[in-house]
Amino acid sequence: EAGVAQSPRYKIIEKRQSVAFWCNPISGHATLYWYQQILGQGPKLLIQFQNNGVVDDSQLPKDRFSAERLKGVDSTLKIQPAKLEDSAVYLCASSFPGTGRRNTEAFFGQGTRLTVV
Amino acid sequence: KQEVTQIPAALSVPEGENLVLNCSFTDSAIYNLQWFRQDPGKGLTSLLLIQSSQREQTSGRLNASLDKSSGRSTLYIAASQPGDSATYLCAVRINYGQNFVFGPGTRLSVLP
Repeated sequence: EAGVAQSPRYKIIEKRQSVAFWCNPISGHATLYWYQQILGQGPKLLIQFQNNGVVDDSQLPKDRFSAERLKGVDSTLKIQPAKLEDSAVYLCASSFPGTGRRNTEAFFGQGTRLTVV
Repeated sequence: KQEVTQIPAALSVPEGENLVLNCSFTDSAIYNLQWFRQDPGKGLTSLLLIQSSQREQTSGRLNASLDKSSGRSTLYIAASQPGDSATYLCAVRINYGQNFVFGPGTRLSVLP
């Protein structure tokens, strides 16, 4: 099966600029996650979608970050305006809600490495 | 609030050694636990997933155990190889359909 696709792979922007990331989950996966991974740390959840509805966005800095998942498939994550501390890898993951190992396992994309200068 | 820790933070071993990576979580009421591998500059690759009702899972040279009551999981790697060099992350899911809480990872270097 095709994996989780993310683009771009790398992005360098100046602080106060805006940036957008795109994610295409595995076909049929209803759950989509965006994680932020700062260098040397484990990933931290930003937002979780179930189809096109938000399940958890409690850790999303809503004054500058926004995300949407129109039609319950692709998703975009936007930062506007960016700060230096937003430099991180942004990971997208998807899973299929169901029973059994395969169905609850989460699959991750390659990530987008963002550098804010 | 669930917190996940991993010990050691970094580990360097000669090729061929058997090794154990540790993961601890503060709330034992978990739905499942998943071990991931992350190569530099790459995303996460799933290694093993253990449901809360299971005690262990095996895949090739990897064996993961789960002790919910003590809030611990271990990842055992047998006969380590240089290709095993990567960061290993554990993550717990509290409830069905909820997100994963990750540990900070253990950076493993296997020397030829």
